[in-house]
Amino acid sequence: DTEVTQTPKHLVMGMTNKKSLKCEQHMGHRAMYWYKQKAKKPPELMFVYSYEKLSINESVPSRFSPECPNSSLLNLHLHALQPEDSALYLCASSQGRGEGEKLFFGSGTQLSVL
Amino acid sequence: QKEVEQNSGPLSVPEGAIASLNCTYSDRGSQSFFWYRQYSGKSPELIMFIYSNGDKEDGRFTAQLNKASQYVSLLIRDSQPSDSATYLCAVPGYSGGGADGLTFGKGTHLIIQP
Repeated sequence: DTEVTQTPKHLVMGMTNKKSLKCEQHMGHRAMYWYKQKAKKPPELMFVYSYEKLSINESVPSRFSPECPNSSLLNLHLHALQPEDSALYLCASSQGRGEGEKLFFGSGTQLSVL
Repeated sequence: QKEVEQNSGPLSVPEGAIASLNCTYSDRGSQSFFWYRQYSGKSPELIMFIYSNGDKEDGRFTAQLNKASQYVSLLIRDSQPSDSATYLCAVPGYSGGGADGLTFGKGTHLIIQP
């Protein structure tokens, strides 16, 4: 099983809403990631969890709150987002070192903030 | 932060020809290099990984690495219309020690003309 599953695939929310994005992997990978991708731009790293601990936060605004309940699950809690936060949010996982740095991406959540 | 440079294109190649995609990177200490393919509206998919100088072949794809010139390329032989996509070059984000995420170039938009 080489799949990373993300839900929902599409999300429309108002600026006062609270929502969560979910990600699950069953490859036994030790690291999980959130990336943000705007149209015609490359993916940009937001957060890294290694062994269920937050290891990298790329100065992401506090309206994005990550959570790693266990080694297979990763959530991204959204609150008071802005229209400019509309993007494709990608979850990924990896083993870690060397060839293990390969990232396996989920299908993404297309988020629209109204 | 490490930098990865790619020509954004579009690069137009006739069907059946060889498509050549290029990438340069800023950090001479980078050890491993990744090529991802991304179709419009989809998530990135890993197609090649290379860490040794020289060539690595997988089917119609060949990755070439020249660490002295800080240059990595991707060749696609016998190009097919289904190869039309954006190709992203990536390197480990920080120390390369694992679980640091990947830093992506802006991507090259490849168009295979039937």
